[in-house]
Amino acid sequence: GQNIDQPTEMTATEGAIVQINCTYQTSGFNGLFWYQQHAGEAPTFLSYNVLDGLEEKGRFSSFLSRSKGYSYLLLKELQMKDSASYLCAVREADSSYKLIFGSGTRLLVRP
Amino acid sequence: DGGITQSPKYLFRKEGQNVTLSCEQNLNHDAMYWYRQDPGQGLRLIYYSQIVNDFQKGDIAEGYSVSREKKESFPLTVTSAQKNPTAFYLCASSIRRSITDTQYFGPGTRLTVL
Repeated sequence: GQNIDQPTEMTATEGAIVQINCTYQTSGFNGLFWYQQHAGEAPTFLSYNVLDGLEEKGRFSSFLSRSKGYSYLLLKELQMKDSASYLCAVREADSSYKLIFGSGTRLLVRP
Repeated sequence: DGGITQSPKYLFRKEGQNVTLSCEQNLNHDAMYWYRQDPGQGLRLIYYSQIVNDFQKGDIAEGYSVSREKKESFPLTVTSAQKNPTAFYLCASSIRRSITDTQYFGPGTRLTVL
């Protein structure tokens, strides 16, 4: 079956670092995406990993271990505007290129 | 300005009525997708289309219908057969010719059935 797990909620302090984990069990794998979604808005693309290792993009980094079925999103120097939901999504390996989404992690950044 | 537009942002309908949600993109993307999002849940795929005049059912297609007559447009009809249609509906598109093939989302339509 297809299963993607993320923590439901996390809280962190402005200026700190937070790591949001995502574990997945899918029948195939062709890349993992992280999206940010503010309440009532559309998800916006943050990062893409298809090979093992760390991808860094400014304050955000994403890590992938395919053998462990594990990814994390690392947010540094947290800002209040980072309060949002973070969605982990795995792309299936077949020709459909469909994405399977986790339920999302709601991050609250406190002053 | 290139992007994906969905209208309206908020939509109210009476139970038993069909309603059509619009999705238009001017990104020249090949593929388009419809998702449904319920509170506290992830996105679930309703329908997707990889090319004009072709579309496939996603995981929760029952009670929905789509058409793809033009590359730019992928309207979704929520029929009276959909048992619980109140939700946030998101349309997305992707180019399908890049390695990443990132899906980009429209602003969404929040449908409330009274």
